[in-house]
Amino acid sequence: NAGVTQTPKFQVLKTGQSMTLQCAQDMNHEYMSWYRQDPGMGLRLIHYSVGAGITDQGEVPNGYNVSRSTTEDFPLRLLSAAPSQTSVYFCASREGETQYFGPGTRLLVL
Amino acid sequence: GEDVEQSLFLSVREGDSSVINCTYTDSSSTYLYWYKQEPGAGLQLLTYIFSNMDMKQDQRLTVLLNKKDKHLSLRIADTQTGDSAIYFCAKGFQKLVFGTGTRLLVSP
Repeated sequence: NAGVTQTPKFQVLKTGQSMTLQCAQDMNHEYMSWYRQDPGMGLRLIHYSVGAGITDQGEVPNGYNVSRSTTEDFPLRLLSAAPSQTSVYFCASREGETQYFGPGTRLLVL
Repeated sequence: GEDVEQSLFLSVREGDSSVINCTYTDSSSTYLYWYKQEPGAGLQLLTYIFSNMDMKQDQRLTVLLNKKDKHLSLRIADTQTGDSAIYFCAKGFQKLVFGTGTRLLVSP
């Protein structure tokens, strides 16, 4: 199993650009989520999904959209990037009480 | 909402024990986790405990939970330089709330 994979590893955007951060898992987990990590702070939940076709907001959802058309994929969309969205983004999937995190995408918005 | 706090930094010598502390505000029943993050990497689950337990031991790791004081700790026995990393406590099940992380530095 590849586990949780994320692409790209690193991205630079200009303010106002849009992009999609990809996340995939091959463990057939129903639950997936997106977090962002900022310096001096813990991870904060952006959006999560309990299964295909079902998504919900986390603690910091503004500026981000998600969809879940398959069990495997959970992309995170930035519609109009802002400098405040400069962060490291982690995707995770969960089985039981254990969450598995991807390696992260480092995003810089200029 | 839930608040999870950790001290920012801990420095120990190789071979000593390390104790990383975490406090939280919401006493509802749930899971409490310890994650390790090495530079440039994702989060690695180290261990977890359910809130009705007091202690859990897993090789060099011991987790202690004081429900009255809402205090969670992670003890690493015989700390090695490879244990240098940031350690996060987290609380919850579907929605995890993370502490700010404790940077552990182990010197030879």
